[in-house]
Amino acid sequence: RKEVEQDPGPFNVPEGATVAFNCTYSNSASQSFFWYRQDCRKEPKLLMSVYSSGNEDGRFTAQLNRASQYISLLIRDSKLSDSATYLCVVNIGSYDKVIFGPGTSLSVIP
Amino acid sequence: DAGVIQSPRHEVTEMGQEVTLRCKPISGHNSLFWYRQTMMRGLELLIYFNNNVPIDDSGMPEDRFSAKMPNASFSTLKIQPSEPRDSAVYFCASSFVELIQGTETQYFGPGTRLLVL
Repeated sequence: RKEVEQDPGPFNVPEGATVAFNCTYSNSASQSFFWYRQDCRKEPKLLMSVYSSGNEDGRFTAQLNRASQYISLLIRDSKLSDSATYLCVVNIGSYDKVIFGPGTSLSVIP
Repeated sequence: DAGVIQSPRHEVTEMGQEVTLRCKPISGHNSLFWYRQTMMRGLELLIYFNNNVPIDDSGMPEDRFSAKMPNASFSTLKIQPSEPRDSAVYFCASSFVELIQGTETQYFGPGTRLLVL
């Protein structure tokens, strides 16, 4: 089993739709979780950290389920500018070593 | 403030040649990471440094790859000799980590697109 798994997509959704991405991780000792966003031919950038209680940032909501070792990202009211690849990131024990998932591709269509 | 700086941005070389990639982390950051990204394998961690010391190089593919961080503001990733399968985008990232707080945001440079013919 891979350390971090994501549905590769692509997800093609119309503007205004709600879309959810899932991510599972294998290391039960993981303590820190993030979602990064990567635009085509650009570097990854932090979208949001994922906290145990769940957290929201505008149209974006992240959830963590430690028992199931599962992370989710919900995007509401999708915009064209949300089109990107979304990377699930999990630390794997040592303080600053993380593993990036393979990413989920999102295309928001007019 | 300047972000992570990488050079060159693009590199085309022939098989067997030496390739050196350079990275300047964000000032004040104490951790530096080298990643490689391909369509097939995604984003892979090659090596990371904390306070200029290599902490984990288990992702370095083989002896042809080496990385150094002689000071807090500079790191190199060298491939010698290069092979076509090394073609990828190589990213450098930096972060500031306080042990008590654990993993922190990594800031990526723009990457070096390497093509080995």
